[in-house]
Amino acid sequence: QQQVKQSPQSLIVQKGGIPIINCAYENTAFDYFPWYQQFPGKGPALLIAIRPDVSEKKEGRFTISFNKSAKQFSLHIMDSQPGDSATYFCAASIGLGTGANNLFFGTGTRLTVIP
Amino acid sequence: DSGVTQTPKHLITATGQRVTLRCSPRSGDLSVYWYQQSLDQGLQFLIQYYNGEERAKGNILERFSAQQFPDLHSELNLSSLELGDSALYFCASKGRNTGELFFGEGSRLTVL
Repeated sequence: QQQVKQSPQSLIVQKGGIPIINCAYENTAFDYFPWYQQFPGKGPALLIAIRPDVSEKKEGRFTISFNKSAKQFSLHIMDSQPGDSATYFCAASIGLGTGANNLFFGTGTRLTVIP
Repeated sequence: DSGVTQTPKHLITATGQRVTLRCSPRSGDLSVYWYQQSLDQGLQFLIQYYNGEERAKGNILERFSAQQFPDLHSELNLSSLELGDSALYFCASKGRNTGELFFGEGSRLTVL
């Protein structure tokens, strides 16, 4: 069973567009929601993360919107650039500390930004 | 560079064979995670170790096993390999005081 559901599977936008990637979860115990970015041939790397006590977090051109009641969160990329072309994974976990608190990943969204 | 080292980067082998993938976590990190990434399958959690002890198991097949050694490096052993085991295998270590996972560049396994 997929703990975190992610959509769309792939996304193509023009440079300057605002791609939006959506994720949904069921486990209300999740309290940490990161997004990872993966370039071809590389491992995923943390992009931005949010805790459920805020509804929005911005870091540069990347924004996470969080809707606790709907159990959904999304990534928006403002003024997208060809260099943003990558696969994006949402994830969720319980807590941050050591122990068996896994990160459950979504299935990934392959983003292509056309120049 | 994440600081997590994985070897080998590429591995081609035949069905029925056994391989070992190696991972060195970031200096100071005690947790090691193994993930499998198949085409269109996302990141599937396999197993987690913390300071030498197994802490969590995911969708890891019985043909697969792992361990973490006293120097904190970890090995993932894959045996009786099947065509469907062809995938990218990632190792990650977790920062001590953050939830961030630092991934290696992966080991690409091809089973022919």
